[in-house]
Amino acid sequence: SAVISQKPSRDICQRGTSLTIQCQVDSQVTMMFWYRQQPGQSLTLIATANQGSEATYESGFVIDKFPISRPNLTFSTLTVSNMSPEDSSIYLCSAWTSGSPETQYFGPGTRLLVL
Amino acid sequence: DAKTTQPNSMESNEEEPVHLPCNHSTISGTDYIHWYRQLPSQGPEYVIHGLTSNVNNRMASLAIAEDRKSSTLILHRATLRDAAVYYCILSGLTSGTYKYIFGTGTRLKVLA
Repeated sequence: SAVISQKPSRDICQRGTSLTIQCQVDSQVTMMFWYRQQPGQSLTLIATANQGSEATYESGFVIDKFPISRPNLTFSTLTVSNMSPEDSSIYLCSAWTSGSPETQYFGPGTRLLVL
Repeated sequence: DAKTTQPNSMESNEEEPVHLPCNHSTISGTDYIHWYRQLPSQGPEYVIHGLTSNVNNRMASLAIAEDRKSSTLILHRATLRDAAVYYCILSGLTSGTYKYIFGTGTRLKVLA
């Protein structure tokens, strides 16, 4: 298993600013993922973060809006750029390791409110 | 990506078994069936997964239909702490990783 922490746990931001969310895993993992969960909704996959290469984005999500870094096997960041109130959501990261190929472990999420 | 269909909500009495259904008629032969649950203000928590055979663990059992087009998560004795949104997810190896596509989930209410 893997234990995942996220920082910040919550934030309130002004329109037009950017926020970087950090995701730390307690062990080396193969892949990390970023999800968005809008109020009362299910999770939507934003992108897959690969170590040493560009992230792979899902349809409807672009790198300019959600740049992602993955500098090593235990850490990733997601930046929400030029925020608008529509970006108010919970952002979650998860991790997948080839040692447990079928299972992802999730962080607690970052609650973002954009005014 | 294969999709899952679940009832929006279900209710159960405490200490009784709960059967949470999931339909996944477009499942491919290599897709795993996963169940996660999300408690309020938390990230999703792994419950169980399977490929073809029924599976048991300390949290739950997973019954998979012979044609794999549906599955059922079984909580043997529901407690108040089991109140959560339960997600049935399919994942197959795509581009070297197991990508999850979440459905809408079933909100389970447990009555005391």
